Amino acid sequence: GESVGLHLPTLSVQEGDNSIINCAYSNSASDYFIWYKQESGKGPQFIIDIRSNMDKRQGQRVTVLLNKTVKHLSLQIAATQPGDSAVYFCAVFNDYKLSFGAGTTVTVRA
Amino acid sequence: KAGVTQTPRYLIKTRGQQVTLSCSPISGHRSVSWYQQTPGQGLQFLFEYFSETQRNKGNFPGRFSGRQFSNSRSEMNVSTLELGDSALYLCASSIRGMNTEAFFGQGTRLTVV
Repeated sequence: GESVGLHLPTLSVQEGDNSIINCAYSNSASDYFIWYKQESGKGPQFIIDIRSNMDKRQGQRVTVLLNKTVKHLSLQIAATQPGDSAVYFCAVFNDYKLSFGAGTTVTVRA
Repeated sequence: KAGVTQTPRYLIKTRGQQVTLSCSPISGHRSVSWYQQTPGQGLQFLFEYFSETQRNKGNFPGRFSGRQFSNSRSEMNVSTLELGDSALYLCASSIRGMNTEAFFGQGTRLTVV
């Protein structure tokens, strides 16, 4: 099976600063990883993904880092904005399903 | 293009009743997955369907069942509802499976009283 854990349940960040959210997974055979953002009253929204043949992938203001040696995944958000306030989940794919972490609530301070 | 559509958005049922939730995937997507989200347990996998075949099922009792139709639309059914079944039920669709970019619907909020 797979277990996915997040290091911090909450993160408060000043507008304009960078945010880093961390995640750990247990199954070394896992090969696909995703970050989702969920705003209140909505379903999770895909942010960025990465496969195990990469260790870094960049999107618009977001970067995902994958360290397979220690089974660690992180999401970096550059120049955090008020619209980034949400719950962020990491997810790991195995056996046709995603296993989700518990979520980190990011609050952006003006 | 239209996103994943889940109906109904809200539902209130009584213990012992049964309920059917519907999910219409994005056009062209053949994989549909269902997840239960609760404050205590987070997002838990229920089932995944691809071309009308269930490829995996999560650790839920047999009261939870699902199916997928030839047009890729999916339904899940919960029989003999319990208070603990109160949750947000989310459906996600993708082209081939959750190891390709998947899109979630807004969910069905089920309250069992």
